[in-house]
Amino acid sequence: AIQLTQSPSSLSASVGARVTITCRASQGISGALAWYQHRPGEPPKLLIYDASRLEVGVPSRFSGSGSGTDFTLTIGSLQPEDFAIYYCQQFNSYPYTFGQGTKLEIK
Amino acid sequence: EVQLLDSGGGLVQPGGSLRLSCATSGFAFETYAMSWVRQAPGKGLEWVSSISGNGASTYYTDSVKGRFTISKDNSRNTLYLQMNRLRAEDTATYHCTKVGLAGDWLYFDYWGQGTLVTVSS
Repeated sequence: AIQLTQSPSSLSASVGARVTITCRASQGISGALAWYQHRPGEPPKLLIYDASRLEVGVPSRFSGSGSGTDFTLTIGSLQPEDFAIYYCQQFNSYPYTFGQGTKLEIK
Repeated sequence: EVQLLDSGGGLVQPGGSLRLSCATSGFAFETYAMSWVRQAPGKGLEWVSSISGNGASTYYTDSVKGRFTISKDNSRNTLYLQMNRLRAEDTATYHCTKVGLAGDWLYFDYWGQGTLVTVSS
């Protein structure tokens, strides 16, 4: 199974800050990566698919990049509603594994 | 508007069975693959199972193979997960998800709210 490792596992940042989360795959997955935001009490929300395509309705401060084994999610200017847990997921092959999550907290 | 409504969770003893349902609306259900994803208490997300749009192809994570069965009733726009021989480690909130098709690769574009399964004596 392909393993996804996110870093950092947690981070604290201020409103307005720019943050980057990394997701590394244990083998090449081309562009088959999605990013989700998960707030407590809500279902996960799709942010990015195909590594860099912004889902309809997601604010443009979110962006994704990467291909092969190394991927990043960047939030350009943090808003209060962005504090949540972020997960990457690969769709290159079954099982469709997730990263362990990155908890983004308010500083 | 796409809607996914998970149901069927509850408390069950180890070795018992449950059937989860996911009633859908707002899209051509027969066209889309669907999946189940779970989250154990305090843990991350885990993909459990997927099924093709016509139901002919199914896929499972290793820990549930031979115990869980995914199915879809395209006449009722409903996805199911039959869970047998349940174990304590199956305790989790289970979300149904719809597979998106707009990209070069798959992704999960809509998620149900989740239904809690607790396996305990």
